[in-house]
Amino acid sequence: GEDVEQSLFLSVREGDSSVINCTYTDSSSTYLYWYKQEPGAGLQLLTYIFSNMDMKQDQRLTVLLNKKDKHLSLRIADTQTGDSAIYFCAERRGGGYNKLIFGAGTRLAVHP
Amino acid sequence: EAGVTQFPSHSVIEKGQTVTLRCDPISGHDNLYWYRRVMGKEIKFLLHFVKESKQDESGMPNNRFLAERTGGTYSTLKVQPAELEDSGVYFCASTTTAGLGGTEAFFGQGTRLTVV
Repeated sequence: GEDVEQSLFLSVREGDSSVINCTYTDSSSTYLYWYKQEPGAGLQLLTYIFSNMDMKQDQRLTVLLNKKDKHLSLRIADTQTGDSAIYFCAERRGGGYNKLIFGAGTRLAVHP
Repeated sequence: EAGVTQFPSHSVIEKGQTVTLRCDPISGHDNLYWYRRVMGKEIKFLLHFVKESKQDESGMPNNRFLAERTGGTYSTLKVQPAELEDSGVYFCASTTTAGLGGTEAFFGQGTRLTVV
């Protein structure tokens, strides 16, 4: 199975909150990331959280981390049509120079 | 300042042909990574350069894939001969000398490779 798992699709109404969930496997991961990919574009870092934190808030974005359950979530408040994209969860593996392990991405569709 | 650029943006080749993808990292970024996303699945790590040296190539699928980074600047990823299962989007990313320690990895827009 995949090391990082996400649900593949989420549909929300404009103005509602979106919650995208992710589970990961490596308890030694030090950083966890959320990337956004808009159509035809590359991956854009939205936010990241250090493993000794439970929550991080940045404007409309709230990241929650449950290390015990290896569960990460991204909440987008007041979701807008411009938030429609694929959201990738990723964990940082390894010491020193290291690499990102990504999930398959969650496609967020925002409708009026 | 230019971001990470990749060329071409799209490539369609026949099975058995050779394709070379290019990545220009952000100027001054020593770390360069190649990733691949196949058929809507997860984005998988391929390899990591520190300057011109291969730091980690554990994700390279097989010996049909050859990555180079001459002079520690741009990098190329050659697939020879290409197979159908090589189709996907190939992403390149770069980071500063500090690597990934909480630092953003800047990604290119990707090269969509289709092997027919």
